[in-house]
Amino acid sequence: ETGVTQTPRHLVMGMTNKKSLKCEQHLGHNAMYWYKQSAKKPLELMFVYNFKEQTENNSVPSRFSPECPNSSHLFLHLHTLQPEDSALYLCASSQEGSIAGGLETQYFGPGTRLLVL
Amino acid sequence: DAKTTQPPSMDCAEGRAANLPCNHSTISGNEYVYWYRQIHSQGPQYIIHGLKNNETNEMASLIITEDRKSSTLILPHATLRDTAVYYCIHNAGNMLTFGGGTRLMVKP
Repeated sequence: ETGVTQTPRHLVMGMTNKKSLKCEQHLGHNAMYWYKQSAKKPLELMFVYNFKEQTENNSVPSRFSPECPNSSHLFLHLHTLQPEDSALYLCASSQEGSIAGGLETQYFGPGTRLLVL
Repeated sequence: DAKTTQPPSMDCAEGRAANLPCNHSTISGNEYVYWYRQIHSQGPQYIIHGLKNNETNEMASLIITEDRKSSTLILPHATLRDTAVYYCIHNAGNMLTFGGGTRLMVKP
């Protein structure tokens, strides 16, 4: 138990569906992240939020839309996805979200395994 | 692209020490070395970090060479539950770049 929860744990959706992934952290952190892990590929950073502001969008297609209403919650809204978007989506949080340097240990949730049909 | 180089896989006998190497020759002065691991179908788990000095915690030890261009993660008494992919990362700040990691298989 890392203090970062994700729901749902598994999701199957069609290409025309709209769904949302939810992440919640109970660690009092100020930075939250979305990562994508496709089969046999390294984790890819998608989005970074620091103090509720998006500070990084790693060239992610617009069919993925993040939302961070407060420092404890992060959503990933999905619509018109493609089968190649099937992957494990991981949320993480860290204390300060510093991009300038220093220690930024990230704590990951268990992930949502998404299958797009 | 990942900035570290790790062997893709290693085996270790249960109860023995597992020594996982990592090369990070492009590390800069203010970047920490982090180790995470990912057990199958779970999120990555933080293990340990270091800057210059060797570090030890309840999970592992981290040995960093004097020139900081490489490091070794040591699991002193590997168990079957340590079977996972181990990632070595160096970053300043929060922009983690994961490589392929080392798949450690602990065998009875």
